[in-house]
Amino acid sequence: DQQVKQNSPSLSVQEGRISILNCDYTNSMFDYFLWYKKYPAEGPTFLISISSIKDKNEDGRFTVFLNKSAKHLSLHIVPSQPGDSAVYFCAASQYNNNDMRFGAGTRLTVKP
Amino acid sequence: EPEVTQTPSHQVTQMGQEVILRCVPISNHLYFYWYRQILGQKVEFLVSFYNNEISEKSEIFDDQFSVERPDGSNFTLKIRSTKLEDSAMYFCASSLAEQETQYFGPGTRLLVL
Repeated sequence: DQQVKQNSPSLSVQEGRISILNCDYTNSMFDYFLWYKKYPAEGPTFLISISSIKDKNEDGRFTVFLNKSAKHLSLHIVPSQPGDSAVYFCAASQYNNNDMRFGAGTRLTVKP
Repeated sequence: EPEVTQTPSHQVTQMGQEVILRCVPISNHLYFYWYRQILGQKVEFLVSFYNNEISEKSEIFDDQFSVERPDGSNFTLKIRSTKLEDSAMYFCASSLAEQETQYFGPGTRLLVL
């Protein structure tokens, strides 16, 4: 079941630069998308979300972009900080369905 | 800030034994979930629970699994007869309403020997 895909298992960027994490989905019924950050030995921590009625949502250094026609979303972190180093999971769900589907995660490393 | 808590943090059990994983969701939340993550794999949905009954479950959530909210605060996942492949990190989550953001607990690492 690969309804949500994160094709890059890892990403490395310099501190201060932009980090762009990508996510693709196949189920056109998904209408709510989230990004979670996960540190080792901790549960996923909610970062930012977007519903399908929007194409962009911004919260501080984090911006999520949604391209419904391409079934693609991305998370931009700018400027990246070493504390952002974690595994980032994309997740999606559809209206009236709490079955949230996760991507495999992308490990982000921000180098000082 | 309110948070979801889970106990124990680690559980080691023999194959065939029953385990109960416990979660205390955020107090005013109404929807509760269990997910698991097998080492090196993605986070997988197991079950959602609302109004004292299961609202959805995945194909992973077979008859060996059950969930319960025995009192007003705890939300438990029981695995009746554990198998080696049940070894995973189990995450509990809760949300205020349907389709609202789900907040995760720190997880229970289950090891079945």
